[in-house]
Amino acid sequence: AQKVTQAQTEISVVEKEDVTLDCVYETRDTTYYLFWYKQPPSGELVFLIRRNSFDEQNEISGRYSWNFQKSTSSFNFTITASQVVDSAVYFCALSAGGSYQKVTFGIGTKLQVIP
Amino acid sequence: NAGVTQTPKFRVLKTGQSMTLLCAQDMNHEYMYWYRQDPGMGLRLIHYSVGEGTTAKGEVPDGYNVSRLKKQNFLLGLESAAPSQTSVYFCASSLGATPNIQYFGAGTRLSVL
Repeated sequence: AQKVTQAQTEISVVEKEDVTLDCVYETRDTTYYLFWYKQPPSGELVFLIRRNSFDEQNEISGRYSWNFQKSTSSFNFTITASQVVDSAVYFCALSAGGSYQKVTFGIGTKLQVIP
Repeated sequence: NAGVTQTPKFRVLKTGQSMTLLCAQDMNHEYMYWYRQDPGMGLRLIHYSVGEGTTAKGEVPDGYNVSRLKKQNFLLGLESAAPSQTSVYFCASSLGATPNIQYFGAGTRLSVL
């Protein structure tokens, strides 16, 4: 069985602060993919990043960075110098070998960036 | 550049009524999905399809039916709506299973009274 845990249901930060969103996953498969999606107030989920289980290299894209650690089964997402436009619900997700067509989503973390 | 389009955006039903939600994608994707989003529950998979003419059950399929007669369309039906089906419904599509990067529609907000 696959499981994704996002323990932080809501986070508030002041603009320009850094913020890290936690994601812990569970799977028995050795091959799997991890994802992050953003759901802005408009409602539509937008894909941010994917990472496969064989690539533990961290990734940076502008103010966004992702830290993948297999040893702790975590795939954390950091926003540096947060902005009001970052306010959204962020979902971590997992698809694993044997059932790649199904993606398991976490419950999401609602981020509010206060000006 | 439409992507994934859901119709309608909002709907109010009375208990026992039926309706169909339409999802259309113009990206020639093989896979399509229906999710429901409820507070504190995240996204839960209702049904999915891995190709034209095929459908499969997801995590919460009871009370729903689906059809994929054309590759670009995926319909979600509620035969006899119940208040427990009040939710926001999202359709998604993906090119394939590995990796399964999904593209989402804007959602349909359904209230069942």
